Amino acid sequence: DTGVSQNPRHKITKRGQNVTFRCDPISEHNRLYWYRQTLGQGPEFLTYFQNEAQLEKSRLLSDRFSAERPKGSFSTLEIQRTEQGDSAMYLCASRLGKLAGPKNIQYFGAGTRLSVL
Amino acid sequence: AQSVTQLGSHVSVSEGALVLLRCNYSSSVPPYLFWYVQYPNQGLQLLLKYTSAATLVKGINGFEAEFKKSETSFHLTKPSAHMSDAAEYFCAVGTLSGGYNKLIFGAGTRLAVHP
Repeated sequence: DTGVSQNPRHKITKRGQNVTFRCDPISEHNRLYWYRQTLGQGPEFLTYFQNEAQLEKSRLLSDRFSAERPKGSFSTLEIQRTEQGDSAMYLCASRLGKLAGPKNIQYFGAGTRLSVL
Repeated sequence: AQSVTQLGSHVSVSEGALVLLRCNYSSSVPPYLFWYVQYPNQGLQLLLKYTSAATLVKGINGFEAEFKKSETSFHLTKPSAHMSDAAEYFCAVGTLSGGYNKLIFGAGTRLAVHP
């Protein structure tokens, strides 16, 4: 068990380009979350999956954002036509959903830092 | 709606001094509360969590927090600060949506420890 893995760790792109990030959760964790953290702020929820089903999306997730978890394992977060306001740290977390409530916790990856020039 | 307020975006203490990081929450239902720590260029690591079993919660690295319903607070303390405690600390509440799936975070408190 190597924890939640996110790639790449850093991404620099030009405005208008598309970017894709990958998250590999802890094995056996059926729930996966994406958060966005801007400078000086706490993480903000974007979306979450139970297995391959995307069950909730935040209003922060505009139509330029799309997330997938095709086989219920790794997940990707794509941002199309990036804008400077998309610059942030994108965090992925996973947890085991078998137990109710926060008896099990969310484990976070190290994040992908996106810089849009 | 649930929310979290962390009082003080920056706290500075001397090594060996008491650490007190403040967190107040707003929730219409019994909350589940968490403290996470984030070191530079790293993800969030759970320090401790409150799940209604006990009001005084002990976590890792000598940290503890006390849930006070009357004050809607969940302040984080450590009796003696260490240089390695310098990091950013986030208080979070588990929301009712989806069975306490989603975490709502405060804005964070950056702790500096000086010799």
